[in-house]
Amino acid sequence: GAVVSQHPSRVICKSGTSVKIECRSLDFQATTMFWYRQFPKQSLMLMATSNEGSKATYEQGVEKDKFLINHASLTLSTLTVTSAHPEDSSFYICSATGQPEETQYFGPGTRLLVL
Amino acid sequence: GESVGLHLPTLSVQEGDNSIINCAYSNSASDYFIWYKQESGKGPQFIIDIRSNMDKRQGQRVTVLLNKTVKHLSLQIAATQPGDSAVYFCAESMNSGYSTLTFGKGTMLLVSP
Repeated sequence: GAVVSQHPSRVICKSGTSVKIECRSLDFQATTMFWYRQFPKQSLMLMATSNEGSKATYEQGVEKDKFLINHASLTLSTLTVTSAHPEDSSFYICSATGQPEETQYFGPGTRLLVL
Repeated sequence: GESVGLHLPTLSVQEGDNSIINCAYSNSASDYFIWYKQESGKGPQFIIDIRSNMDKRQGQRVTVLLNKTVKHLSLQIAATQPGDSAVYFCAESMNSGYSTLTFGKGTMLLVSP
């Protein structure tokens, strides 16, 4: 299957700082990338969908000014958590799809801890 | 996805047994379904997918069955191994991976040696 990477895998930051998470498709061109959030023992919650070169589409209840998404190239999308607070602590996972892949392939996730 | 309680449904099996994990999906218009495996602290890993024009698809040691009449999906794992221990999620989509996926609640599979 296709390979999707995320960086960093784990980050600890102070409350009020911003954190950027990168998602890369390594062996295919990702025309669409998705960002999810997952709390312990729960399912994945879709935050937003981003298409290369377009503005991201956010799910209801997700603050677009707090979770900034950029999908500037066919292999890279970034999620920036601005002015992070402890309640933003979670596991953030991206997925990607694009030619020739049809299904969504997921990155390994980023564990964010805000102190 | 919808929020769920803190206790995932759990299936406990012995090594070598066959495992069946079930999923009820919500949208009768969904026509693409995927099973993912998620190990602790990792992202979901693609296992197998199936389109609505099929009712069965086989992979290596895994089989997915789709019953559109009752909106039910199952994942069968043959000769389950300890390395199969993980949380398994089904996901549905209106079209393909390009479309938004709706995830099920997940089932934890525990395989004991």
